[in-house]
Amino acid sequence: GQSLEQPSEVTAVEGAIVQINCTYQTSGFYGLSWYQQHDGGAPTFLSYNALDGLEETGRFSSFLSRSDSYGYLLLQELQMKDSASYFCAVRDVYSGYALNFGKGTSLLVTP
Amino acid sequence: DTGVSQNPRHKITKRGQNVTFRCDPISEHNRLYWYRQTLGQGPEFLTYFQNEAQLEKSRLLSDRFSAERPKGSFSTLEIQRTEQGDSAMYLCASSKSGLAGGPGTDTQYFGPGTRLTVL
Repeated sequence: GQSLEQPSEVTAVEGAIVQINCTYQTSGFYGLSWYQQHDGGAPTFLSYNALDGLEETGRFSSFLSRSDSYGYLLLQELQMKDSASYFCAVRDVYSGYALNFGKGTSLLVTP
Repeated sequence: DTGVSQNPRHKITKRGQNVTFRCDPISEHNRLYWYRQTLGQGPEFLTYFQNEAQLEKSRLLSDRFSAERPKGSFSTLEIQRTEQGDSAMYLCASSKSGLAGGPGTDTQYFGPGTRLTVL
């Protein structure tokens, strides 16, 4: 089966850099996605990694190491509006097109 | 360009009643997904359609749950004989087949969800 682990809570100061880690166990791995969800809101797609390495999109970057079954989301120049839950999600040969989400990391950005 | 829409946004019902939710995907998206999310958890996959065909169903989808996508556009999720354990946020997502095909190229866009409370 699948399992994903990510920290439950992270706190960081406005303007700082924060890294949210995700480790997974699965077979026939396709790729790792990251979603942001504000309280009461819809999950919003941030990034997707299928190959090893770093993908950069503005202030957000995502990294994947397939050999280590590990990825992370890096948020730079933190803003108050970045306070939200961040979910990693994997897709593999068992899940097909369905996303399997972790439990999420609640990020609190403080002044 | 409108995003995924879901109706109603909130539904309160009594145990044993039937409820139906509607999802309108992004125009021209041929894939549609239903997920359920409870407090403090990530979304859990329920079922998936490609066009009008229901291709995958999670074991979470008991026989009280049924989903349809009759013309390959909007979808409905019905829960019969609701139970208190059905209280959750029901999320719909849609995606469009990429040129390269395959699950790895599929980016899902979520709607705002329908929050169900079963009393």
